Amino acid sequence: ETGVTQTPRHLVMGMTNKKSLKCEQHLGHNAMYWYKQSAKKPLELMFVYSLEERVENNSVPSRFSPECPNSSHLFLHLHTLQPEDSALYLCASSQDRARGGYTFGSGTRLTVV
Amino acid sequence: GENVEQHPSTLSVQEGDSAVIKCTYSDSASNYFPWYKQELGKRPQLIIDIRSNVGEKKDQRIAVTLNKTAKHFSLHITETQPEDSAVYFCAAVRTDKLIFGTGTRLQVFP
Repeated sequence: ETGVTQTPRHLVMGMTNKKSLKCEQHLGHNAMYWYKQSAKKPLELMFVYSLEERVENNSVPSRFSPECPNSSHLFLHLHTLQPEDSALYLCASSQDRARGGYTFGSGTRLTVV
Repeated sequence: GENVEQHPSTLSVQEGDSAVIKCTYSDSASNYFPWYKQELGKRPQLIIDIRSNVGEKKDQRIAVTLNKTAKHFSLHITETQPEDSAVYFCAAVRTDKLIFGTGTRLQVFP
């Protein structure tokens, strides 16, 4: 384990379901991120949290709702998703936003049916 | 905002040959350039990085070069091995945002 844990590893959900993705980091980092990885596309930054405060929302549809209750935990709440939302969702953390050195979790493979 | 282009999208080499992946970025304020390796079904892992005050960095068989004037940076892998087969992503960081390239699928044939 690299210190960033994501659960579940796989998730299949219907378009009317509500589910949540969880990310936990044990590295003492102050910034956490959600990325979406789709086939043949670059990793897309979705949300950035720094010291538990959301500092960036990259035009992500409201059916994705992030939550960061403390600096170690990050959630992504999902509701009324579309099939095109099927992708690998990666969580990452870094010591701070400016230094890089991101550590990624293993991701949640999401399939929307 | 920052835009990162990466080439080639796929690269096949014979074991022992060298592989070079190139990236260009658009924002001259970007100051940190990491490279990630993602094996099939696994998380991206940082393999090497370079900051804007350095022109070249080497770690065993892997090296990265940066040309700030031209706004491009490259990953060089020498003496490639089958276990180097993976998708490689470059990225550029400006202040607080890590923007990735589209990835290069490297295949090393024995």
